[in-house]
Amino acid sequence: AQKVTQAQTEISVVEKEDVTLDCVYETRDTTYYLFWYKQPPSGELVFLIRRNSFDEQNEISGRYSWNFQKSTSSFNFTITASQVVDSAVYFCALSEDRSGNTPLVFGKGTRLSVIA
Amino acid sequence: NAGVTQTPKFQVLKTGQSMTLQCAQDMNHEYMSWYRQDPGMGLRLIHYSVGAGITDQGEVPNGYNVSRSTTEDFPLRLLSAAPSQTSVYFCAISESRWETGNTIYFGEGSWLTVV
Repeated sequence: AQKVTQAQTEISVVEKEDVTLDCVYETRDTTYYLFWYKQPPSGELVFLIRRNSFDEQNEISGRYSWNFQKSTSSFNFTITASQVVDSAVYFCALSEDRSGNTPLVFGKGTRLSVIA
Repeated sequence: NAGVTQTPKFQVLKTGQSMTLQCAQDMNHEYMSWYRQDPGMGLRLIHYSVGAGITDQGEVPNGYNVSRSTTEDFPLRLLSAAPSQTSVYFCAISESRWETGNTIYFGEGSWLTVV
């Protein structure tokens, strides 16, 4: 069975600090996808990144970076030089089926508060 | 929100009432699903559909009914609302393609309170 664990329930940082959100997953499949979504206070869910199990390259997008390590079943998300606008709940999610017919399984989320 | 429209955005129901949350998409994506979000629980799958005429249960299907008569619409019906169904409901769509890896895009959410 697939499972996603986000051990950090809440994190609070001061603006401009770097912060890493942890995500550990469990799956028996060799083909799977990992995702991060952002949920700002307004409530919508914003897609941030998708990573497939064949691609372990880390990715950087502006102040965001993702570290995918199959050896530890982790897909961690780092925000560099955090800003108040980064305050949100962040969800990590897993899908096992490359065909697109398997729903996402979500972690319980990490609430990030960035203080000015 | 990737062409996903949910209505209503807010609703208050009395226990025992029935209602339908509407979800419509204009992206012609095969895959549609409904999630509920509760504090500290993340998002949990209620029902999903991989195409018109095909639906299946997710993790928490009890008390909900769905149908998929068209590609565009995937309504979620609460048959007899209970306070435990107070939640935020999200409709989601995705393409079943290797290239997109079923990246799921969500509607804006429907806030439902059952009193």
